[in-house]
Amino acid sequence: GDSVTQMEGPVTLSEEAFLTINCTYTATGYPSLFWYVQYPGEGLQLLLKATKADDKGSNKGFEATYRKETTSFHLEKGSVQVSDSAVYFCALSGITSGTYKYIFGTGTRLKVLA
Amino acid sequence: NAGVTQTPKFRILKIGQSMTLQCAQDMNHNYMYWYRQDPGMGLKLIYYSVGAGITDKGEVPNGYNVSRSTTEDFPLRLELAAPSQTSVYFCASSYPREVPAGYTFGSGTRLTVV
Repeated sequence: GDSVTQMEGPVTLSEEAFLTINCTYTATGYPSLFWYVQYPGEGLQLLLKATKADDKGSNKGFEATYRKETTSFHLEKGSVQVSDSAVYFCALSGITSGTYKYIFGTGTRLKVLA
Repeated sequence: NAGVTQTPKFRILKIGQSMTLQCAQDMNHNYMYWYRQDPGMGLKLIYYSVGAGITDKGEVPNGYNVSRSTTEDFPLRLELAAPSQTSVYFCASSYPREVPAGYTFGSGTRLTVV
């Protein structure tokens, strides 16, 4: 079945460092791909998305490119801030048995130190 | 503000008690979902609904029940609370005809069963 695999955390970086959080997926067909962010004590918020191969999603300085050849959707940011400390979830959406469903990765915790 | 509203935000239950977690959305979304998030873990789908009067089980439905009498509301019922149901519960909604269909999450209900 479809699945999403994320790198294990926590990822600890100093402020202004470069961030990469790896995400790979397995899916039949052509899913849409998403990154969500969860700040402490809050629900998940959609960060960015991509619908087809080579699409680049971007928001708040974060980027991710839909790579069909490597089945990946890695999240990157050039210079992280303390306020980026959160848990990041990769997800895909597709149709399973006629129903539109989501599959979430297990999340990667990011800690940014001042 | 438009979105998904969950109540209560916090609750402590004794073993064997019952309660209903409320979820309401005002975006006219067809699809609604209940997830649980255990400490340090990802999201597990409990139940979902593709429209009023239609519900279906997710990965971890045991010990829970749902109903969907209106498009707006999707309550989750715990009949006999057990310590294993201590978790944070998130409700979400989506409109699959939007491509891609991003989820809108509520802010969560933190439940402790003692």
